[in-house]
Amino acid sequence: GNSVTQMEGPVTLSEEAFLTINCTYTATGYPSLFWYVQYPGEGLQLLLKATKADDKGSNKGFEATYRKETTSFHLEKGSVQVSDSAVYFCALTRQGAQKLVFGQGTRLTINP
Amino acid sequence: DAGITQSPRHKVTETGTPVTLRCHQTENHRYMYWYRQDPGHGLRLIHYSYGVKDTDKGEVSDGYSVSRSKTEDFLLTLESATSSQTSVYFCAISESTGGSEKLFFGSGTQLSVL
Repeated sequence: GNSVTQMEGPVTLSEEAFLTINCTYTATGYPSLFWYVQYPGEGLQLLLKATKADDKGSNKGFEATYRKETTSFHLEKGSVQVSDSAVYFCALTRQGAQKLVFGQGTRLTINP
Repeated sequence: DAGITQSPRHKVTETGTPVTLRCHQTENHRYMYWYRQDPGHGLRLIHYSYGVKDTDKGEVSDGYSVSRSKTEDFLLTLESATSSQTSVYFCAISESTGGSEKLFFGSGTQLSVL
């Protein structure tokens, strides 16, 4: 079946540090890949996505590249801010299907 | 922000009582979903709807039922609440069938079953 595995959290960094949150997936066919972010007290919102191999999604300084050979979609940011503190979810959906499959989430805390 | 309203935002109930959560959208999107969020599990799909009166089960549907009598409303019912159903429940909507289509989420309902 389809599944997503994220690195264990929580992750705590200092402001301006480099961020990587690992995500690997198992899926049949050619899934679309997503990163969603959940700020405290809110619902999830889409951060970025990639729909085919070697695509790079980017938004708000975050990037992730769809790597089919390693079945990965790691999230990176070169210099994090306190406002990036949130829970980050990696997710996939198969082509033609609507149902997202989520990873367990990674809580990120950025200290000033 | 997508027009999604979940009600109630918080609820405390007792084991064995029925509970209904409501999701209301103003976007006229065809697809609606109910997820639950639990530590260590991320979000898991309970039920979803692909049109009025058209619903299907997700991966954790046992103990839950849904109804969609109007495009804008999607109700989640716990017929007889159990402590294992203590969770945060999120409604989501999407417009199309494309696999790359993003979901818009409501702000969630915190349900505690004592």
